[in-house]
Amino acid sequence: NAGVMQNPRHLVRRRGQEARLRCSPMKGHSHVYWYRQLPEEGLKFMVYLQKENIIDESGMPKERFSAEFPKEGPSILRIQQVVRGDSAAYFCASSPFAPSSGANVLTFGAGSRLTVL
Amino acid sequence: AQTVTQSQPEMSVQEAETVTLSCTYDTSENNYYLFWYKQPPSRQMILVIRQEAYKQQNATENRFSVNFQKAAKSFSLKISDSQLGDTAMYFCAFTFQGAQKLVFGQGTRLTINP
Repeated sequence: NAGVMQNPRHLVRRRGQEARLRCSPMKGHSHVYWYRQLPEEGLKFMVYLQKENIIDESGMPKERFSAEFPKEGPSILRIQQVVRGDSAAYFCASSPFAPSSGANVLTFGAGSRLTVL
Repeated sequence: AQTVTQSQPEMSVQEAETVTLSCTYDTSENNYYLFWYKQPPSRQMILVIRQEAYKQQNATENRFSVNFQKAAKSFSLKISDSQLGDTAMYFCAFTFQGAQKLVFGQGTRLTINP
C-alpha cells in the first residue's frame, strides 16, 4: 500500500493562473480531506469529500477554490486565478471510516507546496 | 467552536533528555479525540499518539506518552530519551464524534541537539 499520494510535490504558478493538486487516497479509503497549511501555522480544514460527493466545504474559500472526488481517479483541488496569498502547503488525508464511526484516524499525504509568483 | 492552543512556539533539548510539549483545548463536547502529529522537515504529517476522551488511562506509544487532564482540558506530550530524529514540528489536534474535521494547534518546533 503506497499510502496517500499527492502530486505535484511542488507547483509554481504566476498570479492569475490555475493550480490543480491531485490526491490518490490509500486503497480502500473512500473519505478524503483537504487541509491548507500557511507558513509557520497549523493545518486548517478546507473540505471533506466522499466518492462523487462534497460533504463539508465549510473551510474552503467561496470563490476560486473547488474540489472533486470522482468515481474513478484521484481527488482534485483546483484553485483558479491564483493570488500570492494562496501560497501554502496543501495536504490531503484519507480514511476508511466515516466521521460518524468515531474512529477519526486520518492518514496524511506528504503535501503539495504551491508557490505563487 | 473548538480551539486548540500550543503555547510553546519552540523548544530545544539535548539528546536523551525528556521533553514535554503543552496543549490545551476548549470544547463543550463530551465524546472527543485528541492527537499529536509530528511534521519533520520532509513535511509528512505523522500520527504520534491518539487519546479517546472517554478513556481515563493515558495513551503511550514507546517513548511517547501523554498526560491527559480532562477537567483542565490539557493534553501534553512527553517524549522520553529524546533522539535526533525527534526533531520536528509537533501539532496537537482535536476532533469529536461525528465531526468532519481535525482542529490543529499552531505547532511547537522541537529541536533535539546532539
